[in-house]
Amino acid sequence: NAGVMQNPRHLVRRRGQEARLRCSPMKGHSHVYWYRQLPEEGLKFMVYLQKENIIDESGMPKERFSAEFPKEGPSILRIQQVVRGDSAAYFCASSPLPDRGETQYFGPGTRLLVL
Amino acid sequence: GENVEQHPSTLSVQEGDSAVIKCTYSDSASNYFPWYKQELGKRPQLIIDIRSNVGEKKDQRIAVTLNKTAKHFSLHITETQPEDSAVYFCAIEGGSEKLVFGKGTKLTVNP
Repeated sequence: NAGVMQNPRHLVRRRGQEARLRCSPMKGHSHVYWYRQLPEEGLKFMVYLQKENIIDESGMPKERFSAEFPKEGPSILRIQQVVRGDSAAYFCASSPLPDRGETQYFGPGTRLLVL
Repeated sequence: GENVEQHPSTLSVQEGDSAVIKCTYSDSASNYFPWYKQELGKRPQLIIDIRSNVGEKKDQRIAVTLNKTAKHFSLHITETQPEDSAVYFCAIEGGSEKLVFGKGTKLTVNP
């Protein structure tokens, strides 16, 4: 059973470009969470999605950031017009059931560097 | 909103000693408290978790204790080994099942 998959693992963008980060949850998992980790800091929640539905986007910046989890295919975190402050590791996690207290399993992360 | 304070931020111990990391939280509705270990450049990995219906849970050299009244929980690692060196994060489950993390503790186990 493959774990949570993320790609690319490393992404370099110039200021003003777009970044697209992909996350495929574990098989059988229908809930995806995105977290951002700045250097030397903890993980900060960004958004929680189920298939075709955004459940909680309270951690997403109001501008330039969007996320989706279509019926088919991976979840996508999209950052438009990237700035240097967007440089961070972006982790997604998945869980199987819509119950509180379900373990979240993390992917390997995408390390975004904005030049 | 939910907040998690984690202490200490760095911890250095000799191999074989015990290590204790403590977290306090503000959201009394939280019922799930996981601990993650993150090695440099790697993903966070769940090492142990506890739910609010128990006060203590143990898995080999790792244990977690929970005091819901005082709103704090702790990670205990006994007989530490160099491979335990990593950053450890506590978390609570906030609203909508999202995790709210502490800022991490960098543990160094000296051989």
